[in-house]
Amino acid sequence: ETGVTQTPRHLVMGMTNKKSLKCEQHLGHNAMYWYKQSAKKPLELMFVYSLEERVENNSVPSRFSPECPNSSHLFLHLHTLQPEDSALYLCASSQDPGTGGYNEQFFGPGTRLTVL
Amino acid sequence: RKEVEQDPGPFNVPEGATVAFNCTYSNSASQSFFWYRQDCRKEPKLLMSVYSSGNEDGRFTAQLNRASQYISLLIRDSKLSDSATYLCVVTDSYNTDKLIFGTGTRLQVFP
Repeated sequence: ETGVTQTPRHLVMGMTNKKSLKCEQHLGHNAMYWYKQSAKKPLELMFVYSLEERVENNSVPSRFSPECPNSSHLFLHLHTLQPEDSALYLCASSQDPGTGGYNEQFFGPGTRLTVL
Repeated sequence: RKEVEQDPGPFNVPEGATVAFNCTYSNSASQSFFWYRQDCRKEPKLLMSVYSSGNEDGRFTAQLNRASQYISLLIRDSKLSDSATYLCVVTDSYNTDKLIFGTGTRLQVFP
């Protein structure tokens, strides 16, 4: 596997279900991100993890719960979601964001989530 | 006012045409600027960074005007494979790993 992978690629869930999205990066990066992309809206940053610590939580509802067990893996745990949470959820990774300057963020293919 | 504003398009142009996209951003303290490309139902990928002095990569030229808070992307000799959505991206002024995306401009190149 190369780059950034995400599973599942598609997910349909009911409002009472609990599910998890998984992201894995094979690039040796030390920062990972969750983004949400809804139709006709810009990508919205949800969470940032740097060196396995959460450094950004962009006012995301608590029904979304991230977990970063190590620098290569990132999860997004979902519970009691709403239909308006249906969107494409993208994971990204980058190198050394805290050392100043910008490092390119590499995106995974995304999980297309539908909440019924 | 949106943090990053783009014309959503679509821009429909014939092969070989030159097309230009513009983008404005609201935070004058933003530090870094980029164009990303997103193909239909795919993830965004970095196309090029944008520098104050302007930069060129093959058929693509990016310009930044800090005074007007304006970024542009010029594509010369358009190819069918250039059809995609082009996302204007700036970094947060305090947190350089926080990217702020525009909604994107859709380009369709036809034969």
